[in-house]
Amino acid sequence: GAGVSQSPSNKVTEKGKDVELRCDPISGHTALYWYRQSLGQGLEFLIYFQGNSAPDKSGLPSDRFSAERTGGSVSTLTIQRTQQEDSAVYLCASSLAQRVYNEQFFGPGTRLTVL
Amino acid sequence: SQELEQSPQSLIVQEGKNLTINCTSSKTLYGLYWYKQKYGEGLIFLMMLQKGGEEKSHEKITAKLDEKKQQSSLHITASQPSHAGIYLCGAHPNNAGNMLTFGGGTRLMVKP
Repeated sequence: GAGVSQSPSNKVTEKGKDVELRCDPISGHTALYWYRQSLGQGLEFLIYFQGNSAPDKSGLPSDRFSAERTGGSVSTLTIQRTQQEDSAVYLCASSLAQRVYNEQFFGPGTRLTVL
Repeated sequence: SQELEQSPQSLIVQEGKNLTINCTSSKTLYGLYWYKQKYGEGLIFLMMLQKGGEEKSHEKITAKLDEKKQQSSLHITASQPSHAGIYLCGAHPNNAGNMLTFGGGTRLMVKP
């Protein structure tokens, strides 16, 4: 079956531009996570969606970052007025979340480069 | 906040040798996960450990959880070039599950 997919796989943008990153979770997975992986910071949690509950935004680094999840499926991470420090690989994961501890399935990531 | 420290940060071994990677938490461990990542790819789930003393194996990889020491180890027996990659441990910051906090990763190279 299809795993978690993300698009685009690579994105190069100029400082100050807005970007949108997309995540398609595994069908039926109610939990969706965004993480960021950069050389200096490792793998960091950004935001978490669970069903119809309010998202946990505690990991978003600034108000330039926002995310939506439409219809409980596809999610879009938006970064406004991109800065060079936003350059990183953005990873999306999904899980069933039927138990407390669940394997998270990761997508291949979007590599964002801000020039 | 919880911090996970992995050691070593990088490792080069000869094919056929055994190796161990450690993951130590600064706080109580809730659900310890091991993932493998190859360059340009997402994370591949290896194993999840929940209870102290738990041990799981898959092919030549064994993971153990020592709750008292707040530590997990990943052991690879008779390493192969296919084992090369970055190994990441992750844990929930609390017992509610949800997001994971990750260690800095261990980069493994296996020389044929």
